[in-house]
Formats: sequence, structure tokens, C-alpha cells
Amino acid sequence: DTEVTQTPKHLVMGMTNKKSLKCEQHMGHRAMYWYKQKAKKPPELMFVYSYEKLSINESVPSRFSPECPNSSLLNLHLHALQPEDSALYLCASSPTGGLTQPQHFGDGTRLSIL
Amino acid sequence: LAKTTQPISMDSYEGQEVNITCSHNNIATNDYITWYQQFPSQGPRFIIQGYKTKVTNEVASLFIPADRKSSTLSLPRVSLSDTAVYYCLVFDQTGANNLFFGTGTRLTVIP
Repeated sequence: DTEVTQTPKHLVMGMTNKKSLKCEQHMGHRAMYWYKQKAKKPPELMFVYSYEKLSINESVPSRFSPECPNSSLLNLHLHALQPEDSALYLCASSPTGGLTQPQHFGDGTRLSIL
Repeated sequence: LAKTTQPISMDSYEGQEVNITCSHNNIATNDYITWYQQFPSQGPRFIIQGYKTKVTNEVASLFIPADRKSSTLSLPRVSLSDTAVYYCLVFDQTGANNLFFGTGTRLTVIP
């Protein structure tokens, strides 16, 4: 069981679609993260929100748009994605924004771009 | 960018101790080294974290030499359920906001 919940678990979308990934935690954590993980590769950091403010954007293309509506929720809005964006998208949270604090991960959304 | 490297894979028999090393030559001076375990179709799970010398918890030990350019995760008496991918995570000081997972080590425990 994970304390970070991601929905949907699987998503298939075309390159012209707009969709959103959602992440929720109720541990009172104030930092939330998005990672991208390709098969047999380590997770790669995309975005970090600290106290609901975007603190890190690792040069991610603008077709990925993060949003943090409140301290418990994190969204990743997707638009005009490319086939190479197919991957497992992981959300994580930590108590504060210290980047090497232990992170709690969700089980991810597996995204397939047709 | 500096690399955080690990052996690609390791095999071990049940009941043995397993040591997995991560090399991180440009680790930031003041940040921790963290290890995670990942099973297929799941997110990584925190195992242990340390800054220097040795840290031990109920599932693992972490050994960090004085120069902090590497770290070794030690799993005592592994079981079949320890078959997973193990990652180290460090903050690299060579650029801004460089939080890197290691390349990952796929541990297979054999009965």
C-alpha cells in the first residue's frame, strides 16, 4: 500500500489529446515531485513543488505543465505529447523541500502515446 | 553531468549478505545519500539514508567512507522477496538542482 495515490494507473492517448495525471497525499508533506521513468532506467526528476510553489523545473518541455492546487494535490497536464514521452510517471512527496529528504512515491501512471 | 553509477545486476542465494555499491564522485557537501528499492510496476520505496560513516535500521545498513564519493548498501540474509532494483539517490553539486538516481542494480535472489 502506498500513501501517495496516483490516478489513473494507465493512460493511452493520442498526440493531439489533452489529459491530466493526478497525485494526492494526506501525510501533511509540503514538497511534491514529478518523475519520469523509462523502462529499465532510473527515475528522472521533472518538477519539484515546495510549499505549493514550483521550485525546480528540470528543463522539461512545455507540453508538460505541472500544477499544485493545494498542499495535498499535484497535477501534471499533458498536451501534444510525442511517442517518446511514453513512460511511467511517478509522483512523490517529502515533509519539506529538502531534496534528499526521504521521499514517498506513488506507484505511477503508465502513459502510452499513440 | 557527473554520473552516479552502480553495478547493473547481482545474483545472491537466499540467506546471504548482499553489498551494493554506488559511486557518486561529485556529491554535494552537505546532503544525504539515500537508497530506494523498486519492484516491478511500483514506485521506489525508501530503505535507508545516511550522511557519513555507518547507519543501520531494521532492514539494512549503509556504509559511507570519509570522502563520501561512494556508499554501500548492505542487506543481511536476503530472501526471495528482496529481488528488486536498488537505487542510490544523491544531490550532485556540479550544477543547479541536480538530484540524481543511480543507474540501479537489479538484485536477483536465488533459492
